[in-house]
Amino acid sequence: AQSVTQPDIHITVSEGASLELRCNYSYGATPYLFWYVQSPGQGLQLLLKYFSGDTLVQGIKGFEAEFKRSQSSFNLRKPSVHWSDAAEYFCAVKAAGNKLTFGGGTRVLVKP
Amino acid sequence: DGGITQSPKYLFRKEGQNVTLSCEQNLNHDAMYWYRQDPGQGLRLIYYSQIVNDFQKGDIAEGYSVSREKKESFPLTVTSAQKNPTAFYLCASNGDTQYFGPGTRLTVL
Repeated sequence: AQSVTQPDIHITVSEGASLELRCNYSYGATPYLFWYVQSPGQGLQLLLKYFSGDTLVQGIKGFEAEFKRSQSSFNLRKPSVHWSDAAEYFCAVKAAGNKLTFGGGTRVLVKP
Repeated sequence: DGGITQSPKYLFRKEGQNVTLSCEQNLNHDAMYWYRQDPGQGLRLIYYSQIVNDFQKGDIAEGYSVSREKKESFPLTVTSAQKNPTAFYLCASNGDTQYFGPGTRLTVL
């Protein structure tokens, strides 16, 4: 069965600093991978997705993610964090039947 | 304006009552999903439907029921059999990508 691990439950970063969120997946076939962001009390917003092709994927809000098959990873990065990036971030892999399996999430706190 | 709407945003229920959460989409998606989210946890799949008049149990279906009579609508009923229903409920629909509604926060008093 597929699974997604986000090793970091919380990350604190200073405004203007770079951010990297880790995501490792387990899936037997070629994965379709997603990153979503959730502000408190809100639904999930899609940041970016990887289906095939270029392994470096650009998303909204200045985020990018890199798919590394050899490491079963799909880490999310942003070069310079803004205070509005404080939120919870979820990595997900699509399995059969279009179902998504989510990681446990990483909460990002931004220090002024 | 395309998207997914959920209502109400906040819902309070007394123990022993059934309650129905609404989910509507105008994205023309065949597949729709219900997730439950608890504080500090990821999303867990309750039910999903890939086509009208058909639906399947997800990982935590006990105490919940759904219907899919129309493509646009996928209501979720939280029954009195659900032992711990207080949570944040998210509805989603799927083309090649899954999109989410704004959520309903259910509190059992």
